[in-house]
Amino acid sequence: DGGITQSPKYLFRKEGQNVTLSCEQNLNHDAMYWYRQDPGQGLRLIYYSQIVNDFQKGDIAEGYSVSREKKESFPLTVTSAQKNPTAFYLCASSTGIQPQHFGDGTRLSIL
Amino acid sequence: GQQLNQSPQSMFIQEGEDVSMNCTSSSIFNTWLWYKQDPGEGPVLLIALYKAGELTSNGRLTAQFGITRKDSFLNISASIPSDVGIYFCAGPPGLTGGGNKLTFGTGTQLKVEL
Repeated sequence: DGGITQSPKYLFRKEGQNVTLSCEQNLNHDAMYWYRQDPGQGLRLIYYSQIVNDFQKGDIAEGYSVSREKKESFPLTVTSAQKNPTAFYLCASSTGIQPQHFGDGTRLSIL
Repeated sequence: GQQLNQSPQSMFIQEGEDVSMNCTSSSIFNTWLWYKQDPGEGPVLLIALYKAGELTSNGRLTAQFGITRKDSFLNISASIPSDVGIYFCAGPPGLTGGGNKLTFGTGTQLKVEL
């Protein structure tokens, strides 16, 4: 079945450590997105990519980095510069004017 | 960034009741999307609206694209326990159409009492 796979489901980060969240899609979608969700809040856009080898900052990009070397993959790195990384991270993809489809998320916590 | 205001913030209703929620914006949207999120999972698209005044149903769910293009409404008829979750409205800011950057509402949390 086509879909978006995020891994791991749960991730723990130590102080000063960078961690990378994986997002893979087999929907052949051109665009991919990363969102952050805090308890009781909506989704906020971190980064998005509309085409391979290109990406743009969203509303809260500081402390995060991404790459888009393949159409299927859009990994997100939470760097040590992100001082409050505890959140639920969601990856999405879309094509053309169709609505975004989401993965099942990665929950990141601080040790 | 721009925000979409959803109300109510949360609802606690009896099984079998009808539910109404809405989403408003200070600017015009050309597309309105409604998603549902279950705990610990990603949002799932329920209904997409593309034209002002459009009324679209998906089973017991009905959504409307407001005529002013600054609001949208979602109704759930005869609620059941599996309707529990958070409902988000979303849309692309400006006039770019769907599929690109989305702005999300703050969500309406629905709880159903048996």
